[in-house]
Amino acid sequence: GAVVSQHPSRVICKSGTSVKIECRSLDFQATTMFWYRQFPKQSLMLMATSNEGSKATYEQGVEKDKFLINHASLTLSTLTVTSAHPEDSSFYICSARSTGRVGQPQHFGDGTRLSIL
Amino acid sequence: KQEVTQIPAALSVPEGENLVLNCSFTDSAIYNLQWFRQDPGKGLTSLLLIQSSQREQTSGRLNASLDKSSGRSTLYIAASQPGDSATYLCAVKETSGSRLTFGEGTQLTVNP
Repeated sequence: GAVVSQHPSRVICKSGTSVKIECRSLDFQATTMFWYRQFPKQSLMLMATSNEGSKATYEQGVEKDKFLINHASLTLSTLTVTSAHPEDSSFYICSARSTGRVGQPQHFGDGTRLSIL
Repeated sequence: KQEVTQIPAALSVPEGENLVLNCSFTDSAIYNLQWFRQDPGKGLTSLLLIQSSQREQTSGRLNASLDKSSGRSTLYIAASQPGDSATYLCAVKETSGSRLTFGEGTQLTVNP
C-alpha cells in the first residue's frame, strides 16, 4: 500500500537552531502534501498545505517565515522550523495525497517529535 | 465552518467486547469521511474511507457506517483485542481538494 516516510522521527536541539523535517511519498506521486502539528492529547492542527512547484498555503495564525515549506518534487516536501524555541516543541506530522484518482485516502507519516531545549 | 465531534473521549473495555465509536459532523455536505488509528507517539494509520455515496465500509473486524443526512458516522469494532488499544480519529473532507477536518479522537483501551 501507499507509504509516507517522515524523517527524522525525533529531534532534540538547542534554542535558536533551525530544524528540517522531510516527508516523502514512497510509492506514489503527491502533488499536495499537508503539514500538521499535534499537542499532547489533542487532535491534529493543519499548519499548511504544500503544493509541488508553488508556494505553500498557510493556515491562519501560522507564521510562514517561521515554518518554511518547500515542495520541490512530486515525492518530497520539507518543513524547516527556523530559529526554533521551546514553544515550538511539538509533534509534527506530514500527510500526502496521491496525484492519481480523486477520492483516495490521505496517508500519514509517522511523525517527528521536536524538543527544543 | 465544519466541526467534527467524537464521543466518547475515552473508552475502556474488557477484551472480547464489541464496541462502537461515534463521530458527528455539523455540515452534511461532505465528500468523504476517513477513520484513522493513532498509536502513542506515532502518525496516523488509515483504517477505512467512506465516500459520500456509500453507507458503510468493512475491513476485517472493523465496520464504519455513514449517515450523511444526520451528520454521523460510527466505527464498530468486533471482538476487541488489547492490540486495538489506540486513539481513533475520524476526519471529513468537504470537497475533493479540501483539507481534512479532524475530530478530537477517542482513546480506546482494551484490557486483557
